[in-house]
Amino acid sequence: EPEVTQTPSHQVTQMGQEVILRCVPISNHLYFYWYRQILGQKVEFLVSFYNNEISEKSEIFDDQFSVERPDGSNFTLKIRSTKLEDSAMYFCASSGGSGISTDTQYFGPGTRLTVL
Amino acid sequence: AQSVAQPEDQVNVAEGNPLTVKCTYSVSGNPYLFWYVQYPNRGLQFLLKYITGDNLVKGSYGFEAEFNKSQTSFHLKKPSALVSDSALYFCAVRSILTGGGNKLTFGTGTQLKVEL
Repeated sequence: EPEVTQTPSHQVTQMGQEVILRCVPISNHLYFYWYRQILGQKVEFLVSFYNNEISEKSEIFDDQFSVERPDGSNFTLKIRSTKLEDSAMYFCASSGGSGISTDTQYFGPGTRLTVL
Repeated sequence: AQSVAQPEDQVNVAEGNPLTVKCTYSVSGNPYLFWYVQYPNRGLQFLLKYITGDNLVKGSYGFEAEFNKSQTSFHLKKPSALVSDSALYFCAVRSILTGGGNKLTFGTGTQLKVEL
């Protein structure tokens, strides 16, 4: 069964450094998402992406964040200058495509980001 | 704005007994409703969804959920719990009025503990 994959599984970085989290969505999906879950808290929407542009973003997704689909398979989340409060589990998700329902979002296993 | 409430942080049930995990929602327009399950150190796994049609929806692993529009609820149920069902369960909502973003809003999660 196709699934969303994410790398790395765990990223440790120093405050102020740039990080790139990578995701490979399900191959025939066209809608891509990033969510995050701070330890012990609920899952929060960050951004959605379709047709090479951002469809919607939350107030969390400020100028420090960016997303990109650099090729036909990868979807990345970049944090330019990490802060302590960026420490969280980051989930990538994908949904829908040509002839496929966009209703259900399928999530990857997550990348745990630790900012020191 | 859309929101989800999961009033119970934890639900304990004996194996073989029925289980219910509660969820209420608030959204503009008709809702799309979802249940996801998260096992330790794993991503979110899709369980089931309500989009339209029959108010009782069936999903993976014997789980089902009942949509109640008047009570704005979407409780997760299973007739006979298994120890392996022990996990963190998230309810999520999306409005059909949402623009291209398809943003999901999650509840805070309910820890289900099934004991022998």
